[in-house]
Amino acid sequence: DQQVKQNSPSLSVQEGRISILNCDYTNSMFDYFLWYKKYPAEGPTFLISISSIKDKNEDGRFTVFLNKSAKHLSLHIVPSQPGDSAVYFCAASGSNFGNEKLTFGTGTRLTIIP
Amino acid sequence: EPEVTQTPSHQVTQMGQEVILRCVPISNHLYFYWYRQILGQKVEFLVSFYNNEISEKSEIFDDQFSVERPDGSNFTLKIRSTKLEDSAMYFCASSSHTISNQPQHFGDGTRLSIL
Repeated sequence: DQQVKQNSPSLSVQEGRISILNCDYTNSMFDYFLWYKKYPAEGPTFLISISSIKDKNEDGRFTVFLNKSAKHLSLHIVPSQPGDSAVYFCAASGSNFGNEKLTFGTGTRLTIIP
Repeated sequence: EPEVTQTPSHQVTQMGQEVILRCVPISNHLYFYWYRQILGQKVEFLVSFYNNEISEKSEIFDDQFSVERPDGSNFTLKIRSTKLEDSAMYFCASSSHTISNQPQHFGDGTRLSIL
């Protein structure tokens, strides 16, 4: 069941440059999309989200873009910092009221090179 | 900042034994979840819980699994007779339902190892 896909298992980016992480989904009933960051031995930490009525949401260095027609979202981190090195998970839900299960992608390991 | 806390961080159990994983969700949250991540695989939904009852469960959540909120703070996942394939990281999450755009917040997980 590959309803949420992250096709790049890993990504390396130079410090200070832009990191772009991609995510595709197949279920058109998804209404709310989230990005989580995960360090080893810790749980997923919420980063940023976007509702399907928007195409962009920005929070500091993090911006999420949603292209509903392409069923694609991306996370932009600029400028990238060494502390951003982690696994990033894309997740989707049928509701933005936090009351529905999340369907996760397989994650992308981001490495920021100093 | 309020956190979801999970205990123990690591549980080692013999196959066939019962195990209880514990979680303390964020205090004003109303929805509670369990997810698991088998090594090398994606995070998978197990069950959601609201108003003292299960609101949704996945195919993984069979009769061997149960959840309970025994008091006002704890949320537990019980596996009645563990199997080798239950070995995984188990994550508890909680969310607020009062306004929109509410993410789920996760604990640091319990690593369950079945021998």
